[in-house]
Amino acid sequence: KAGVTQTPRYLIKTRGQQVTLSCSPISGHRSVSWYQQTPGQGLQFLFEYFSETQRNKGNFPGRFSGRQFSNSRSEMNVSTLELGDSALYLCASSLSTGTGSGTEAFFGQGTRLTVV
Amino acid sequence: QKEVEQNSGPLSVPEGAIASLNCTYSDRGSQSFFWYRQYSGKSPELIMFIYSNGDKEDGRFTAQLNKASQYVSLLIRDSQPSDSATYLCAVTPRDDKIIFGKGTRLHILP
Repeated sequence: KAGVTQTPRYLIKTRGQQVTLSCSPISGHRSVSWYQQTPGQGLQFLFEYFSETQRNKGNFPGRFSGRQFSNSRSEMNVSTLELGDSALYLCASSLSTGTGSGTEAFFGQGTRLTVV
Repeated sequence: QKEVEQNSGPLSVPEGAIASLNCTYSDRGSQSFFWYRQYSGKSPELIMFIYSNGDKEDGRFTAQLNKASQYVSLLIRDSQPSDSATYLCAVTPRDDKIIFGKGTRLHILP
């Protein structure tokens, strides 16, 4: 069974640009969550999509957005990039049956974004 | 605000000793509890999960859950240098969300 796939693995962008990251979840998983991880802040929750709908959202500015497609693949977009957006962006998928079970998250390898 | 709290560390433990990692959570109705290990530069990987009060053992790892105290811990016996990593505690409250702690850095001293 293929794991969670994130593309690209590495990205360098300049301030003011925008970026789109992609995540393909494990087959059958309908929940996709995105996290930002930096050395100082740890793992911070961005948002979660379930069946093409944003189900949960963290405390990030509106420059951070996402969407999920009918095949459960998800994209995350960051507009008007700032130096502070440099981080490892992780995507995680879970089965999320809606009964409280099957919620363990499986992570992709991440996209390391560097803003210069 | 539902919270999962961990000591950031670093926690230094001699090789061969028992490493004890602790986590507290705020939502008393939480149902599922997970421990993830993250090596530097890598993504987190699930190593243990526990749903019921008590202990759950898997090899050198033991997860302990005390719902009355809202406390979950991870014990690593016979610690090895390869256990040096950041350990993330994660909790599922009553709904289907999963909430992660900031993680504890563990350093095993050879």
